[in-house]
Amino acid sequence: GAGVSQSPSNKVTEKGKDVELRCDPISGHTALYWYRQSLGQGLEFLIYFQGNSAPDKSGLPSDRFSAERTGGSVSTLTIQRTQQEDSAVYLCASSLEDRGSGSPLHFGNGTRLTVT
Amino acid sequence: KNEVEQSPQNLTAQEGEFITINCSYSVGISALHWLQQHPGGGIVSLFMLSSGKKKHGRLIATINIQEKHSSLHITASHPRDSAVYICAVNEYGNKLVFGAGTILRVKS
Repeated sequence: GAGVSQSPSNKVTEKGKDVELRCDPISGHTALYWYRQSLGQGLEFLIYFQGNSAPDKSGLPSDRFSAERTGGSVSTLTIQRTQQEDSAVYLCASSLEDRGSGSPLHFGNGTRLTVT
Repeated sequence: KNEVEQSPQNLTAQEGEFITINCSYSVGISALHWLQQHPGGGIVSLFMLSSGKKKHGRLIATINIQEKHSSLHITASHPRDSAVYICAVNEYGNKLVFGAGTILRVKS
């Protein structure tokens, strides 16, 4: 079946513009995670959804970042007034997961965001 | 101190060698993941462990819950195993915490 799908795969935007990144998880996966990986850096947790709710938003780096998930499926990560330090690969992962039990993660291929 | 520590940070091996990558964590967890990221490539989940040992091909992952430690072993290493290997843990409540990764290079 289809894996985790992210779009766009690449996005170049001017500083100050808003961007929206989309993640389509595997059908039926209740847990959805957003991460980012800056050049040469490790993975940085941004936000976690269980269904439509976001019990953990602790990783969002500033109030310019927001995310939502509708229908327990598609999620969008929005970055307002982009800055050059926002340039990174934004990764989405999903899992079929009961609270606290953990289950295998499935990653999308990421969206490479470049802010000029 | 990071909640998830990996060692070594960098590892160079000759083809055929047995490789071990270690992961220690300091928090209570519900599961531990080993992930693989090839240069310029996506991230692939290798194992998800909550106890014991799992094997897939030449890869073996073990976890000791009492000692809060996991190891990833690669037998008969090959240049195509060259990648970044990342340990990540599910804290209770499901937040994932990542280690910094181990850069593995296998020379032929």
